[in-house]
Amino acid sequence: DQQVKQNSPSLSVQEGRISILNCDYTNSMFDYFLWYKKYPAEGPTFLISISSIKDKNEDGRFTVFLNKSAKHLSLHIVPSQPGDSAVYFCAASIRGTYKYIFGTGTRLKVLA
Amino acid sequence: EAGVAQSPRYKIIEKRQSVAFWCNPISGHATLYWYQQILGQGPKLLIQFQNNGVVDDSQLPKDRFSAERLKGVDSTLKIQPAKLEDSAVYLCASSWDGGSTDTQYFGPGTRLTVL
Repeated sequence: DQQVKQNSPSLSVQEGRISILNCDYTNSMFDYFLWYKKYPAEGPTFLISISSIKDKNEDGRFTVFLNKSAKHLSLHIVPSQPGDSAVYFCAASIRGTYKYIFGTGTRLKVLA
Repeated sequence: EAGVAQSPRYKIIEKRQSVAFWCNPISGHATLYWYQQILGQGPKLLIQFQNNGVVDDSQLPKDRFSAERLKGVDSTLKIQPAKLEDSAVYLCASSWDGGSTDTQYFGPGTRLTVL
């Protein structure tokens, strides 16, 4: 039972354009969401998070949007840079617990 | 500040052999996690420690996997005997206190290949 889904295994974007990575979840109890970035041969690195009391959170070029009614979140990267090329995982957790449930990841390639 | 350290980085063994992985978390982090990441999937939590106590090991295959964190600092994860399906990257992560909004910091992982 995949509670967190990333339906696009890969995405290619031109440098300078917007990258949009999507994530869907099925458990309405999830109330905290995160995005991690992973380069080859490295561990995942925390990127940005959002609580369910918000619908948007920004950090520099990265913005996460949360649509609770649709059980959908997205990560926007503007402008995209070649160094953003990596695998992006979304994760979800339930407040009061500690467990992150990860999606399967989306491989982003930013073309110079 | 040093990050999460893991060793070895790569390991190749034959099925039915034993293997052990080591993790040293970020200094001061009370909570330590071991994840298994199979190719094409996201990380899956195997076990969580709070200091030297186990908080959750519900997804740890206890017939073959074991983990310990004796002094509440570094940890070892062991597989005995290994199966082909154990081929994966084993990630260690740590966080301050293990709360749901507490950021987990990951090590580089150990890539295990079971032949």
